[in-house]
Amino acid sequence: EAQVTQNPRYLITVTGKKLTVTCSQNMNHEYMSWYRQDPGLGLRQIYYSMNVEVTDKGDVPEGYKVSRKEKRNFPLILESPSPNQTSLYFCASSFGTGQDRPQHFGDGTRLSIL
Amino acid sequence: DQQVKQNSPSLSVQEGRISILNCDYTNSMFDYFLWYKKYPAEGPTFLISISSIKDKNEDGRFTVFLNKSAKHLSLHIVPSQPGDSAVYFCAASVSGSARQLTFGSGTQLTVLP
Repeated sequence: EAQVTQNPRYLITVTGKKLTVTCSQNMNHEYMSWYRQDPGLGLRQIYYSMNVEVTDKGDVPEGYKVSRKEKRNFPLILESPSPNQTSLYFCASSFGTGQDRPQHFGDGTRLSIL
Repeated sequence: DQQVKQNSPSLSVQEGRISILNCDYTNSMFDYFLWYKKYPAEGPTFLISISSIKDKNEDGRFTVFLNKSAKHLSLHIVPSQPGDSAVYFCAASVSGSARQLTFGSGTQLTVLP
């Protein structure tokens, strides 16, 4: 089954404790992206990757890091999490950035930073 | 400054009637528009899209209308079914942009049986 898998689905942690949210897709997609969803703001892009070893900032990259060492994986790293990073996070992937190639989303990771 | 706006946070419709969800945008560079549907505890799933060269696109019960002069698009669902109850996100993109999608804040549609 074609899917985007995120882990963990839920996490409660404390300020400053480094964490990684993993994202893996099995569709051989070149493009991967991370979004956060906050009430009243919709989904905002954090980082994206056009292919292996190619990453770039989205609209809200502060406080986050990513890496793309393999095509299928695109982990999101919070080196020193803060309460304002409490949010619902989605990973997405697609074949390139063509308009006729909509993104496939994972089921989300809800992070609570205390 | 939100470039894609969905001004109605929620909408309730009776089963069998038409649901109309609205979306406005400010960036005139946007030339492709999409609607995503999201159920609780799941990620958004692609529903329907429209290119700026068209003013209407239809897929079964779902039709998207684009009014470029007004920078407005709408999603019509006819007839509405209880299974359509979900959050609907409008999104927009610019051709060739690696940044891809700009999303609205979403509208919660509830279809009452």
